[in-house]
Amino acid sequence: QQKVQQSPESLSVPEGGMASLNCTSSDRNFQYFWWYRQHSGEGPKALMSIFSDGDKKEGRFTAHLNKASLHVSLHIRDSQPSDSALYFCAASEPNNYAQGLTFGLGTRVSVFP
Amino acid sequence: DMKVTQMPRYLIKRMGENVLLECGQDMSHETMYWYRQDPGLGLQLIYISYDVDSNSEGDIPKGYRVSRKKREHFSLILDSAKTNQTSVYFCASSLEGHVNERLFFGHGTKLSVL
Repeated sequence: QQKVQQSPESLSVPEGGMASLNCTSSDRNFQYFWWYRQHSGEGPKALMSIFSDGDKKEGRFTAHLNKASLHVSLHIRDSQPSDSALYFCAASEPNNYAQGLTFGLGTRVSVFP
Repeated sequence: DMKVTQMPRYLIKRMGENVLLECGQDMSHETMYWYRQDPGLGLQLIYISYDVDSNSEGDIPKGYRVSRKKREHFSLILDSAKTNQTSVYFCASSLEGHVNERLFFGHGTKLSVL
């Protein structure tokens, strides 16, 4: 079973609209979360991290973490064509040193004009 | 310039041949990683290197080995490649390997084993 599960698998959003992505961990040890974005033909690039309950905002991106339910979401406001990409949620244990991240399968976001 | 560079970008090999994938970083990062990405399986961790000659298996190390003789350089070796090792391989690095550090990924190497 995938320890980090993402939904939906794909998402189409109008330019200027809001995209909402979800991620849940089935491992209660995974409490630190990252969002990565991968454009076609490139490697993943870190967007933002969230380690505490509540919201964290960085520009047009807002992440929300609920540690009790191990659910994290990413909201992209005012979506742009350049936001079309594969978005990964990645999780880690808080005291995990140099063990890498466990990635979900990704949500493919398409922004249409 | 904060970059992770992978060579080559594309590689075609026959089953049973040896494969060498190279990765370099210019950030003096201590920790480096090799992942592979497959449809339906996402990104899977193959090996981690904490520093020169200090390596550890990830989740799927079977069929792979690594070498790190210089901090800025990390190689992935496939001895006698198999068709199920056809994949896109990503190298990544982070400053010291702590969970609050972002990983910097290279552009990937697309390997086809025929």
